[in-house]
Amino acid sequence: SAVISQKPSRDICQRGTSLTIQCQVDSQVTMMFWYRQQPGQSLTLIATANQGSEATYESGFVIDKFPISRPNLTFSTLTVSNMSPEDSSIYLCSVGVQGAGYRQYFGPGTRLTVT
Amino acid sequence: AQKITQTQPGMFVQEKEAVTLDCTYDTSDQSYGLFWYKQPSSGEMIFLIYQGSYDEQNATEGRYSLNFQKARKSANLVISASQLGDSAMYFCAMREGPGGDYKLSFGAGTTVTVRA
Repeated sequence: SAVISQKPSRDICQRGTSLTIQCQVDSQVTMMFWYRQQPGQSLTLIATANQGSEATYESGFVIDKFPISRPNLTFSTLTVSNMSPEDSSIYLCSVGVQGAGYRQYFGPGTRLTVT
Repeated sequence: AQKITQTQPGMFVQEKEAVTLDCTYDTSDQSYGLFWYKQPSSGEMIFLIYQGSYDEQNATEGRYSLNFQKARKSANLVISASQLGDSAMYFCAMREGPGGDYKLSFGAGTTVTVRA
C-alpha cells in the first residue's frame, strides 16, 4: 500500500483568495491524481500530474484555476485559485501502487469551505 | 455514457447481516480494474477491494468480497456480517488500462446505514 498525507486537512477561505494543497507519498510514483468531490456528489478527476511535465487536465478544469506542481516523484501540490463558494469541496490526491492490480490509494483529503 | 452505474442511492441493513451493493460498468478495454472504496463521514477514501479483468477468482478481503460477472459487466460488493462501523458511502470505480498510471471513473455511490 501507500501512505499518503495531505495538508491542510481542512480550511475555511475567503472568496477571491487562493489555497495550495500539498500531497506527500511515502514512495516514488509516476502519476499522481487530483480529484474533487463536491458536497453530496461523487469524485471527479481534476488532473493527472506526471513528474517533469505539465499536468493533464480533464474537461471543465483549467490550469489557471487549478495550477498543479509535481517537483519530484513523491510530492505534488494543487492550488485552487480565485476561489468562489462553488469551490467548496473535498480535494483528494491519489496514486497507483505497483503490485497486485496497481491498487489506487487516496490521501485523507482536504475539506475546503469558501465563504 | 456512464462508465460506472450504482443504482442504489441508499440501503439499510441489520447488524450482522450481509448486504450486496450493485455496480455495473461499461468499457471496451480488455484490461481494466474494478475497485470499491468506503467513504465515512470524515471524507477519507478507504480502499476495500480490487478485481482485475483477467482475474479468474472473485476477490476477497476479510468481510468484503467482490462478485465479478464479466459477461454481465457487473462487480457487486458483498459485505458479510455487517457492523455499525460499516455505515458509510460506498463507491465503485473502474480503471481502464493495465497499469497504475490510469485514472479512475467513479459511480454515484451508495449510502449504507447499519441498524443495531
